Formats: sequence, C-alpha cells, structure tokens
Amino acid sequence: QVQLQESGPGLVKPSQTLSLTCTVSGGSISSGDYYWSWIRQPAGKGLEWIGRIYPSGSTNYNPSLKSRVTISIDTSKNQFSLKLGSVTAADTAVYYCARMAVGFDYFDPWGQGTLVTVSS
Amino acid sequence: QSVLTQPPSVSGAPGQRVTISCTGSSSNIGAGHDVHWYQQLPGTAPKLLIYNNNNRPSGVPDRFSGSKSGTSASLAITGLQAEDETDYYCQSYDSSLSGWVFGGGTKLTVL
Repeated sequence: QVQLQESGPGLVKPSQTLSLTCTVSGGSISSGDYYWSWIRQPAGKGLEWIGRIYPSGSTNYNPSLKSRVTISIDTSKNQFSLKLGSVTAADTAVYYCARMAVGFDYFDPWGQGTLVTVSS
Repeated sequence: QSVLTQPPSVSGAPGQRVTISCTGSSSNIGAGHDVHWYQQLPGTAPKLLIYNNNNRPSGVPDRFSGSKSGTSASLAITGLQAEDETDYYCQSYDSSLSGWVFGGGTKLTVL
C-alpha cells in the first residue's frame, strides 16, 4: 500500500524558509487519481490544511498562508515538497503530508509527520 | 479558533456509548460538504476513521459510526474500550475559505 514519508530540517531560524519533502512509496505520484497535500499541527493544537498539488503542478493553498507557501512536485523522484517563507515561532509544528483521492475530500493515508521548530 | 467546533473533551465508562459533535456553518457542513473523522493516537499521525459522513474504511470496527444533519455532524462510539482513549478530529471543506478545514479536536477519556 502507499506510504508517505516527510523529511527535512527540524530547526529553522526566524525569517528563513522552511523546506520539507514528502517521498511517496508503493504507488506513483504521477497517477491522475490523487492530490498530494501538506497539513500541520502545532503542539497540543488542532490540524491546519496548508495546501495541495496535482501531478500536473496545479496547486491550491490555504488563503491564510498563500502569500508564504509554495508546493511543488517532482514526478521523477516520486516526491512533492513544501516551502514556507518568512517563518516565525507560530510556524513551529508537526508537518504531515497526505494523499487525497480525486472526487473526494478526505486525507488518507498520512505520513508519520516531522517536527519543525522555528527558533534562533 | 477552528472553523469546525468540537467539544474539547468527552468521557464515558467502558462499554458505554459516547458521541462527539462537530458543528459547522452554511459554508461547510451546511453547504452539503461531506464530513470525515480521524483518530489520532499520541505521537502518531491522524488515521481516517469515518469518511463521507458515515462510511468506515476497511479495518475500522463497526463500533464507530458517523452521522450528519444540517450544519452538524456526530461521531458515535459504542462499547467503549480503553484503547479508544485518544483524540478525534472532524474535517470538511469550506466553500467560503476555498479549502479544507478541521475541528479543534476532542479528547476522549475512558473512565
């Protein structure tokens, strides 16, 4: 079955850019049947959808983060990536990648998550 | 402040039935968008529990069920077990925000 795995620096300085990659295994990211999303969760708090990408490169972003977010896809590596600019302590969270089937709007499966701390 | 409102906590004794509510608005649940539920065990990623209001993925016990009415949805858990003690989140799509939204989460305590 499909598995997702996040990777990237666990510590980012304020005002810099957070960069994460999600590697998909057990299936092709190029399949036109799925969107690929990023979701985050600050410690002890709820979940926030960040954005999603389709294999064509088409993206949708959370309006509250849109000015700072870029999601890209590399079908040759079966990966998609997140960049979040001008980070502050409020961006400290566990970041998850997840899959969404076309025509549906739930997330399944999810990666295990990776903690990113914004601190100098 | 989450777009979907859940009670911070609920509790029940082993074997009992509990429900977790998820209240939205006319731009999400009330607009007809489906509601989905996730179970998140400590230190792990959320796991899909109920999709499209009342459907269980393969492997999810039939003790878990979902319903939706108007601008709200509910997750019901019958025959409570100790292993059910964890966090639960609802999720839907919001037309006004043009994005996917979650509830703030509910911590279930099995007494």
